[in-house]
Amino acid sequence: DADVTQTPRNRITKTGKRIMLECSQTKGHDRMYWYRQDPGLGLRLIYYSFDVKDINKGEISDGYSVSRQAQAKFSLSLESAIPNQTALYFCATSRRGSPNVLTFGAGSRLTVL
Amino acid sequence: DQQVKQNSPSLSVQEGRISILNCDYTNSMFDYFLWYKKYPAEGPTFLISISSIKDKNEDGRFTVFLNKSAKHLSLHIVPSQPGDSAVYFCAASGGGGSQGNLIFGKGTKLSVKP
Repeated sequence: DADVTQTPRNRITKTGKRIMLECSQTKGHDRMYWYRQDPGLGLRLIYYSFDVKDINKGEISDGYSVSRQAQAKFSLSLESAIPNQTALYFCATSRRGSPNVLTFGAGSRLTVL
Repeated sequence: DQQVKQNSPSLSVQEGRISILNCDYTNSMFDYFLWYKKYPAEGPTFLISISSIKDKNEDGRFTVFLNKSAKHLSLHIVPSQPGDSAVYFCAASGGGGSQGNLIFGKGTKLSVKP
């Protein structure tokens, strides 16, 4: 099994729908992140969490929310999806001792029609 | 404004030769730099890193060079292999409370031809 598992891997939805992307990890890492990648662009940070009670906004948090249900679980929600949220979403983890060495999931491709 | 720039979207190299991928940054507060490699349909994977107190870090075929005065870093792959064909992302961290909140470049797609 993958260290960082994202579900769903692919999702097509319509404008205005609520969408949740889920992430679970078996690394035992305390830090979790959600990044977004758009074609021709680098990865941009949406939200990050250093532990269950610590949630922080990243560079592009507008239109998104997150929940850290447990140390191993970090979900990303789009309350009312819009077409410009069509992107590839990555969950990542890191440990306190090496905070910049991220372990990424395989990605969740979201298409909003 | 982009804080981490990879100005070459793609690079093609012959197997066995050197691949040099470049990255420029604008924020002098960045103190840690990393390279990630990404294959299609997979998430990025960590490749190599360098702290701002060093100017070189080597790991097997991969070497990262940092020129702080020029705000420039480069990744050298010697010798290049077909399996190195991937997208390479340069990333930077501002340190302190921002550790783990990486700023990524747009990536450079490396193609190593047999």
